[in-house]
Amino acid sequence: EAQVTQNPRYLITVTGKKLTVTCSQNMNHEYMSWYRQDPGLGLRQIYYSMNVEVTDKGDVPEGYKVSRKEKRNFPLILESPSPNQTSLYFCASRASLSSYNEQFFGPGTRLTVL
Amino acid sequence: AQSVTQLDSHVSVSEGTPVLLRCNYSSSYSPSLFWYVQHPNKGLQLLLKYTSAATLVKGINGFEAEFKKSETSFHLTKPSAHMSDAAEYFCVVSGPSPGGSYIPTFGRGTSLIVHP
Repeated sequence: EAQVTQNPRYLITVTGKKLTVTCSQNMNHEYMSWYRQDPGLGLRQIYYSMNVEVTDKGDVPEGYKVSRKEKRNFPLILESPSPNQTSLYFCASRASLSSYNEQFFGPGTRLTVL
Repeated sequence: AQSVTQLDSHVSVSEGTPVLLRCNYSSSYSPSLFWYVQHPNKGLQLLLKYTSAATLVKGINGFEAEFKKSETSFHLTKPSAHMSDAAEYFCVVSGPSPGGSYIPTFGRGTSLIVHP
């Protein structure tokens, strides 16, 4: 089954404790991205990757890191989480850069930073 | 530059009545437009997309949307609402950025409430 998986689905942590949210897709997609969803703000892009070893900032990159060492994986790293990073996070992939391609979303990771 | 405005944060309808979710967009190029649906505690699922072919686009679950370039709109409609349609709906515009990376822009979402 074609899908995007994220882990963990739920995470409660404390300020400053490094964490990683994993994302994997099995569709051989070139393009992957991370979003955060906050009430009333819709989805805002954090980082995206156009292919292996090619990443770039989205609209709200501060406090986040990503890497793309393999085509299928695109982990999101919070080196020193803060309470304002409490949010619902989605990973997404699409076949290529073409604007015609829709995105496939993971199920989401709900992060709480105390 | 591109932007998208969903004109209603909440829409409330009775089961069996028509649904209209409004979306206006702005883009320097001919964009692709999408509607996604998010059910509670779920990820986003594609409802339909416009990619410069037919201006009336049919999607899943009886939804359709019409691209109107003169009005820069892409409103989502359904003739008869069902209780299972209650969800959050996102309009998305995707066109080339100055760097050519086609970063999509999401609207803030419209919450559809369906009353029995």
